[in-house]
Amino acid sequence: DTGVSQNPRHKITKRGQNVTFRCDPISEHNRLYWYRQTLGQGPEFLTYFQNEAQLEKSRLLSDRFSAERPKGSFSTLEIQRTEQGDSAMYLCASSLGGGGLVFIEMNTEAFFGQGTRLTVV
Amino acid sequence: RKEVEQDPGPFNVPEGATVAFNCTYSNSASQSFFWYRQDCRKEPKLLMSVYSSGNEDGRFTAQLNRASQYISLLIRDSKLSDSATYLCVVNRGRVGQFYFGTGTSLTVIP
Repeated sequence: DTGVSQNPRHKITKRGQNVTFRCDPISEHNRLYWYRQTLGQGPEFLTYFQNEAQLEKSRLLSDRFSAERPKGSFSTLEIQRTEQGDSAMYLCASSLGGGGLVFIEMNTEAFFGQGTRLTVV
Repeated sequence: RKEVEQDPGPFNVPEGATVAFNCTYSNSASQSFFWYRQDCRKEPKLLMSVYSSGNEDGRFTAQLNRASQYISLLIRDSKLSDSATYLCVVNRGRVGQFYFGTGTSLTVIP
C-alpha cells in the first residue's frame, strides 16, 4: 500500500495517560500535516512539516501536544496527560509542496491516512 | 472570521436531482482550491481540484470566483452513492496549510 498510513487505528486511554500516534506519509511527499476532527466538524489544523522542519503550529496545539518528524519521513504526534476533550479523530496527510528558494506552482492535493480515533475515558 | 465557510446542510435530494454547494474563503492569498468527499467515519478523499477556469469531471462541475472568493460544486443526476459530506478546502500554496470548511452533508434519497 503506497498511501498514507496511520497507527494505531483506534486508541482508548484513561484520562491523564500519554499517547503517541504514528504517521507514514507517501514516500516522495515532503509535506506532512496533522489535523484533528470531531463529529460534525471539518478537520482542524494542528501542525505541519516540510521535510523535518515544523513550519507551523496551530493555537490548538497546547503544551501537552508535541509532533516530530525527525528524518523527514514518518511523524509522531504525542499527547501528554490526555483529557476527555482530546477525544477525536487525528488525521495525518501528506502532499508534495514546492520548497527551497524557487516557488513551484503546483495544485497538489493532500492525501489523508485513515486516521487514529482517540477515546479518552 | 473562519478561513473557509460552508453551509453545513443537510441537503436531502431525490435521485437524479441536481444539487449545488457553495463555499467562501476569507484570505485572498489562497492559491489552491479543492473539493474533498468524506464518507461517515472515513478519511477525506479528493473529489476534484478547482481551477480558475472552472472544471468538470463527469457529473461534477467546480467553479472558482476569485473576485468574490467563492467556490462552488455542482452535482448533476445525483446517485445514492453521492451521499457523503463534501468539504471545501483552500491552500495558500508554498507556506500554507490546507484549510477546511465544516463540510456540507448530502443525502440522496431513492
